[in-house]
Amino acid sequence: EVQLVESGGGLVKPGGSLRLSCAASGFTFSNAWLSWVRQAPGKGLEWVGRIKRETDGGTTNYAAPVKGRFSISRDDSKSTVYLQMNSLKTEDTAVYYCWRLRYYDSSGYLYPADYWGQGTLVTVSS
Amino acid sequence: QTVVTQEPSLTVSPGGTVTLTCASSTGTVTSDYYPNWFQQKPGQAPRALIYSTNKRHSWTPARFSASLLGGRAALTLSGVQPEDEADYYCLLYYGGAQGDWVFGGGTKLTVL
Repeated sequence: EVQLVESGGGLVKPGGSLRLSCAASGFTFSNAWLSWVRQAPGKGLEWVGRIKRETDGGTTNYAAPVKGRFSISRDDSKSTVYLQMNSLKTEDTAVYYCWRLRYYDSSGYLYPADYWGQGTLVTVSS
Repeated sequence: QTVVTQEPSLTVSPGGTVTLTCASSTGTVTSDYYPNWFQQKPGQAPRALIYSTNKRHSWTPARFSASLLGGRAALTLSGVQPEDEADYYCLLYYGGAQGDWVFGGGTKLTVL
């Protein structure tokens, strides 16, 4: 069973930093592209960024509101993807979801945009 | 800044049919935008329904179908069930320096 479990959320002051983790299981993590999506209280979904698998370059890309402040990394040995959030603002308050953007199985078959984690809440407030 | 627009709310009767649409501020939505659709119920994480314009995931009920319609991406629910009441989000791919993907603002579907 595919599972994505986020952790690391909490209360942080404006200007502070926080690192979120997303631990994956049930699939070969190194074959996946992962993405982070957030949802402010009572609002819609917002794409935050993604990281490709290492064999595709391991490159990252980010939405404009977080570019230069957030960074995504991965540790394939731990089947975990991270979201490092710096210079946090009150408008970054949201539930942050981990999302399997793309997955290649052992035969190369592509599974696009399927599983989501349950999310972790980040509150930025003084 | 790219904006993806959906109907804020729609109401449908049980057993009825409803179409949700997804428009791009950049112009006509094509298959090159790889439209995705997601369902989200209160207090739950989003659930993927449709990818690459019109492909259902293995768990997506057949009453959900998707297409390109009048320059927009569209999600049609046929034979609506009470459990289909939820928020629905579309997602379009843009790539480039502004970021890969942009979500629509969501449609709140009421089954009444």
